[in-house]
Amino acid sequence: GENVEQHPSTLSVQEGDSAVIKCTYSDSASNYFPWYKQELGKGPQLIIDIRSNVGEKKDQRIAVTLNKTAKHFSLHITETQPEDSAVYFCADVKGNDMRFGAGTRLTVKP
Amino acid sequence: NAGVTQTPKFQVLKTGQSMTLQCAQDMNHEYMSWYRQDPGMGLRLIHYSVGAGITDQGEVPNGYNVSRSTTEDFPLRLLSAAPSQTSVYFCASSYYRTGGEGYTFGSGTRLTVV
Repeated sequence: GENVEQHPSTLSVQEGDSAVIKCTYSDSASNYFPWYKQELGKGPQLIIDIRSNVGEKKDQRIAVTLNKTAKHFSLHITETQPEDSAVYFCADVKGNDMRFGAGTRLTVKP
Repeated sequence: NAGVTQTPKFQVLKTGQSMTLQCAQDMNHEYMSWYRQDPGMGLRLIHYSVGAGITDQGEVPNGYNVSRSTTEDFPLRLLSAAPSQTSVYFCASSYYRTGGEGYTFGSGTRLTVV
């Protein structure tokens, strides 16, 4: 499959503001869309995911939306905190083929 | 419960040297995989395995070998290191036999080839 396009590559917000990261995929057969958070010196950790039969999913301050028609999905973080600072990766999955976006470095300034 | 354990954490190799990156998981996961992470390119799949004795190539397999003799271990071998293999390597396992979701990643091995 094709790689996923992820934007922006860097994002800086003030503590308490919202942050939005967007990803676009190309294969309409992709059916699962996870988001990973990677802190410095650590491996990626799954924070939220969404399946193709769902339009939105929320977990406390984190939400993911999926627009199948436009083939894009977004990560929304509300009330950002300094500990949200990390690199975030989106991915799209078809079967056992998972392709990652290039990552977004989020900095939350106190 | 250690999860996915990778060793070593850091390694410097000279061009042409060989080495093995170790990966072990204690979650009885059938699916294991190796990724490399390069700046601005996300994670790219090198090799994966859906069970002991079964391995297959991912997106960027050239220059790497793998084997899966046990469920727990999935070592990655660099046959003749090249500067282009300078990267951070992550091992991951999944409770789904075919992978794709439910991933647990190790903490990575930072490899520099000079």
